[in-house]
Amino acid sequence: NAGVTQTPKFQVLKTGQSMTLQCAQDMNHNSMYWYRQDPGMGLRLIYYSASEGTTDKGEVPNGYNVSRLNKREFSLRLESAAPSQTSVYFCAVRPRTGGVMNTEAFFGQGTRLTVV
Amino acid sequence: KQEVTQIPAALSVPEGENLVLNCSFTDSAIYNLQWFRQDPGKGLTSLLLIQSSQREQTSGRLNASLDKSSGRSTLYIAASQPGDSATYLCAAYGQNFVFGPGTRLSVLP
Repeated sequence: NAGVTQTPKFQVLKTGQSMTLQCAQDMNHNSMYWYRQDPGMGLRLIYYSASEGTTDKGEVPNGYNVSRLNKREFSLRLESAAPSQTSVYFCAVRPRTGGVMNTEAFFGQGTRLTVV
Repeated sequence: KQEVTQIPAALSVPEGENLVLNCSFTDSAIYNLQWFRQDPGKGLTSLLLIQSSQREQTSGRLNASLDKSSGRSTLYIAASQPGDSATYLCAAYGQNFVFGPGTRLSVLP
């Protein structure tokens, strides 16, 4: 049981390049999230998907797009990478019970992205 | 907008000490509060989840309390061990999950 799997684990991009970060879960949970973690800033929400077919912006969505491909997968795309997007990216999942998310969140191991 | 703070930012204690980590949040309209542990270069591991209707949760040497009215949660670690060295993050869940900046704990042998 892998839980939440992120690929790749590490990536170096040149400014202006594009890439997609992948997140897949085998926990059958409805809600999925993308966060970035920066020193001194904590974790900040980029986008989330409350259920398959829906996505919403979080605190820092600029420069990113997301796709909830199916219940298992939630991808984060950088169309034109910038040095300010150098960060560690985490995917998280949580179940949705009776319309209220009163449950634990589980995180992937992170993707370390450097944009030069 | 929910804001979460954690005090202290860093803590160094000798092995065996009991210690308390503090988490404060500005908006008391939360569903739950979750404590995580993060080891260097790793992801987040869930430690304890406290529902909004609960006042505390315990797991082994860890005890977390929640006081929604004052906007505070504490994580108590009993008989600390070097293996407890990590960064501890709290996150308040209301509209969305909002994280504190973390407390970096070092337990010295």
